[in-house]
Amino acid sequence: DIRMTQSPSSVSASIGDRVTITCRASHHISNWLAWYQQKPGKAPKLLIYAASTLHTGVPSRFSGSGSGTDFTLTISSLQPEDFATYYCQQANNLPPYTFGQGTKVEIK
Amino acid sequence: EVQLVESGGGVVQPGGSLRLSCVASGFTFDDYAMLWVRQVPGKGLEWVSVISGDGGGTYYADSVKGRFTVSRDNSKNSLLLQMNSLRTEDTAFYYCGKDREGRLLGGEIDYWGQGTLVIVSA
Repeated sequence: DIRMTQSPSSVSASIGDRVTITCRASHHISNWLAWYQQKPGKAPKLLIYAASTLHTGVPSRFSGSGSGTDFTLTISSLQPEDFATYYCQQANNLPPYTFGQGTKVEIK
Repeated sequence: EVQLVESGGGVVQPGGSLRLSCVASGFTFDDYAMLWVRQVPGKGLEWVSVISGDGGGTYYADSVKGRFTVSRDNSKNSLLLQMNSLRTEDTAFYYCGKDREGRLLGGEIDYWGQGTLVIVSA
């Protein structure tokens, strides 16, 4: 199975900060990479698929980049509603489509 | 509007069985693979299973293979997860999800249910 490693596991940031989260795949996955946001007590929501394509309705302050094994999620200017946990997921070729361990974005 | 509504969670003893259901609306159900993902409270997401749109293809995480069975009834827009030989480590919220783009065995999940809690405890 492909292993996904996110860093950092948590980050403290202030409103307006630029936040970057990285995700590394144990094998080459082309651009088959998705990012999700999850708030406490809620189901995850898809933010980005195909490494860099924003899902419908996702604010443009979110962006994704990368290909192969190394990927990045960037929030250009952190807003109050962005405090949450973020997960990457690889969707390459065949299942299982493994998730990273998550990155919690907290208020500084 | 896409909606996914899970049910069937509850408390069960180790070794017991439980069947989860997910009813879908707002899209052409049999055009899309459907997936199950679980989450131990306070922990990360774990991919569990996928079933193709026609029900002919399935895949399972190693942690549940041989114990869980995914199926679907396209006439009722419903997805099922039969869980047998349950273990304490199966305790989690279980989410159903819709595949984003119609790949045979799914991929990214663009819509998620609200989750149903399964507790395996003596």
